[in-house]
Amino acid sequence: DGGITQSPKYLFRKEGQNVTLSCEQNLNHDAMYWYRQDPGQGLRLIYYSQIVNDFQKGDIAEGYSVSREKKESFPLTVTSAQKNPTAFYLCASTTGGGVNNSPLHFGNGTRLTVT
Amino acid sequence: GEDVEQSLFLSVREGDSSVINCTYTDSSSTYLYWYKQEPGAGLQLLTYIFSNMDMKQDQRLTVLLNKKDKHLSLRIADTQTGDSAIYFCAERSRGTYKYIFGTGTRLKVLA
Repeated sequence: DGGITQSPKYLFRKEGQNVTLSCEQNLNHDAMYWYRQDPGQGLRLIYYSQIVNDFQKGDIAEGYSVSREKKESFPLTVTSAQKNPTAFYLCASTTGGGVNNSPLHFGNGTRLTVT
Repeated sequence: GEDVEQSLFLSVREGDSSVINCTYTDSSSTYLYWYKQEPGAGLQLLTYIFSNMDMKQDQRLTVLLNKKDKHLSLRIADTQTGDSAIYFCAERSRGTYKYIFGTGTRLKVLA
């Protein structure tokens, strides 16, 4: 079955360490997104990528980095510069945001806890 | 700027109808989406509507769009305990890659 896989589901890190969250999709989607979810704040866009080897900052990109070397993969690194990294992180993809309807399809998320 | 607003909580009795409301600000051609999120999971697409439509029905779900007031609603008929979740409204302007999400409405269904 096609879908988006995020791993791991739970991740624990010490403050000051970088950590990378995995996102893989087999839907043949061009565009991929990373969102952060905090209680009562909805979803906030961190980074998005419309095509391989290209990505753009979202609304809260500071302290995060991404790469898009393959169409299927869009890993997110949470660096030590991110002041409040503890959150639920959601990866999503779509066929192409500017074309027709193309809703976002989401993975099941990674809950990151930094102590 | 772009903004999507929702009320935070809604409580209904099992078997009743639920109506979840959303307002948006983008005045250009827009796609509007409803997602459902269960605890600890990602968002599941429920339905969507384009801004040139007034209504869309899909089984127990009815979406109503008031373009003049930029108001969107999701009605769930015969609400069940399994419908308890957070419901997100989202909009995307045609030709853009950016999706704007509301804060989500937590629906609690009482048995």
